[in-house]
Amino acid sequence: GENVEQHPSTLSVQEGDSAVIKCTYSDSASNYFPWYKQELGKGPQLIIDIRSNVGEKKDQRIAVTLNKTAKHFSLHITETQPEDSAVYFCAASRPGGYQKVTFGTGTKLQVIP
Amino acid sequence: KAGVTQTPRYLIKTRGQQVTLSCSPISGHRSVSWYQQTPGQGLQFLFEYFSETQRNKGNFPGRFSGRQFSNSRSEMNVSTLELGDSALYLCASSWGGDEQFFGPGTRLTVL
Repeated sequence: GENVEQHPSTLSVQEGDSAVIKCTYSDSASNYFPWYKQELGKGPQLIIDIRSNVGEKKDQRIAVTLNKTAKHFSLHITETQPEDSAVYFCAASRPGGYQKVTFGTGTKLQVIP
Repeated sequence: KAGVTQTPRYLIKTRGQQVTLSCSPISGHRSVSWYQQTPGQGLQFLFEYFSETQRNKGNFPGRFSGRQFSNSRSEMNVSTLELGDSALYLCASSWGGDEQFFGPGTRLTVL
């Protein structure tokens, strides 16, 4: 089955700096890669996603890159703010709409004011 | 548009009991997936229902079961509870494609 590795497990940055979280996946058939943000006491919130036919996607301060050959994808957050502090999860799933999504182990991001 | 709702939000049970959790998806969404989240194992896929049919299942014992009703609402049942079943149970809905939207979860504590 699919295996998703996520690094680092914790990340502290100064407000205004950039944060990068990296994930690798094992199943070359995976074609959908979402990123979720989970705040304390809440469910994961989809913040951005990318499909295997796209190399990069941006949404304001958030961007995701995908390298299909190396089977890794990354989340980039620029100009970090204290409200970006949360746990971030990457995930991967295969085509077909069958929602068997495999998640990474999470990265706890702390933005220091 | 209302989000995914889960009830109850918190639950305390004792070993051996059974529990039923409920999930109401976003209006128009026909797919409901369930996940277990624990500090040790992270987010693990339990199963997914689409139009009242289970389409996919994760690697959990048969004590974990679910169903989906004609209005897309879903329930998850855990029988003969064990201490290790203590977790946050998350439900996610989708129109049937890839994008999933999660509810706030049900925090289950087994004593």
